[in-house]
Amino acid sequence: AQKITQTQPGMFVQEKEAVTLDCTYDTSDPSYGLFWYKQPSSGEMIFLIYQGSYDQQNATEGRYSLNFQKARKSANLVISASQLGDSAMYFCAMSRPYGGATNKLIFGTGTLLAVQP
Amino acid sequence: NAGVTQTPKFQVLKTGQSMTLQCAQDMNHEYMSWYRQDPGMGLRLIHYSVGAGITDQGEVPNGYNVSRSTTEDFPLRLLSAAPSQTSVYFCASSYWHASTDTQYFGPGTRLTVL
Repeated sequence: AQKITQTQPGMFVQEKEAVTLDCTYDTSDPSYGLFWYKQPSSGEMIFLIYQGSYDQQNATEGRYSLNFQKARKSANLVISASQLGDSAMYFCAMSRPYGGATNKLIFGTGTLLAVQP
Repeated sequence: NAGVTQTPKFQVLKTGQSMTLQCAQDMNHEYMSWYRQDPGMGLRLIHYSVGAGITDQGEVPNGYNVSRSTTEDFPLRLLSAAPSQTSVYFCASSYWHASTDTQYFGPGTRLTVL
């Protein structure tokens, strides 16, 4: 069965520093997608970044990058130059992008990030 | 485009009452899903649809019904509300693209069952 594990319930980071949020996954499927979502205190789910299991390069979106280590089954989110507005809950999720229903996401329990001035 | 819209934003029910949470999208996405989010947990899939007329169960389907008569709408029905269904409900839609299958989430409905 597929599973997402986020072992950091909460983290602090100083403004302008980089931070890494950990995510490990378990699946027997060769094809899958990995996502990171941000959920601010207002409650909406904001898509940040996507990595396909066959993508050769790590995904990047502005200040967000995904450190994809397939052999270790990890998909850590790196936020560079943290800003106060980055304070939020962050969820790692997994889906099957090929052949299966692509809208079946499995989520981790989340990491609460607090950016300090 | 309005994206994914959900109504109502907040709802309080008594145990045993029924209601429908509405979800609509204007992006012509084939795929739509319902998730629930409980405190301290990530989102869990309730039901999903891969197109009009096609629905299937997710991880936690008990107590909920769905139907998909149009591409745009995907309502979630609570048949007989229970306190265990107190949660925040998110609707999402997505399409298959060559490089990503990004899901777009609605703003959520906060439901309390007394």
